[in-house]
Amino acid sequence: AQTVTQSQPEMSVQEAETVTLSCTYDTSESNYYLFWYKQPPSRQMILVIRQEAYKQQNATENRFSVNFQKAAKSFSLKISDSQLGDTAMYFCAFMRGTSGSRLTFGEGTQLTVNP
Amino acid sequence: GAVVSQHPSRVICKSGTSVKIECRSLDFQATTMFWYRQFPKKSLMLMATSNEGSKATYEQGVEKDKFLINHASLTLSTLTVTSAHPEDSSFYICSARDSASGYYNEQFFGPGTRLTVL
Repeated sequence: AQTVTQSQPEMSVQEAETVTLSCTYDTSESNYYLFWYKQPPSRQMILVIRQEAYKQQNATENRFSVNFQKAAKSFSLKISDSQLGDTAMYFCAFMRGTSGSRLTFGEGTQLTVNP
Repeated sequence: GAVVSQHPSRVICKSGTSVKIECRSLDFQATTMFWYRQFPKKSLMLMATSNEGSKATYEQGVEKDKFLINHASLTLSTLTVTSAHPEDSSFYICSARDSASGYYNEQFFGPGTRLTVL
């Protein structure tokens, strides 16, 4: 079974600064996907970024980037130029690379961006 | 982008009654839908995987007779909480997998339903 661990229950950052959220996972699979989801106070789950395990290049989406260390099974999220709208719960998630696979979520990190 | 709706967004019911929550994929077909439960400030817990035209697959510890799932069409799955009790109060979220998305099957999430059982 796969497990996903987020060791930071809460984090805060000043507006315009950079913050990194940590995530580690455990799996015996070689083909899989990793995700970061954002859940703002509205509670709508929003996909922030996706990483395919077979890709060595770290995924980037505007101000969001990941540091994917496959051997270490680490998948951190860096948010640059933090904005007030980034305040949310962030979940790291794992999915096997087979059709119809389920998502396994970490416990989440509550990020607060302060003005 | 793909849109998933849930209805109702919020429901309050009396203990012992049944409540039905609908999950619809609005602009794509979803062979597979997933139902999650989320407690305040906690992660999403997968309850069951719903497959169109077949029985749902429930996670260990989830009572299938309590949480009835029906996936009768490629755009609609329903979760019925039967004989609801206060401990069933929670936030329920569905997600749908786009059947046509190919090998990578992205899941799209509904906005959730807050259930309060009095």
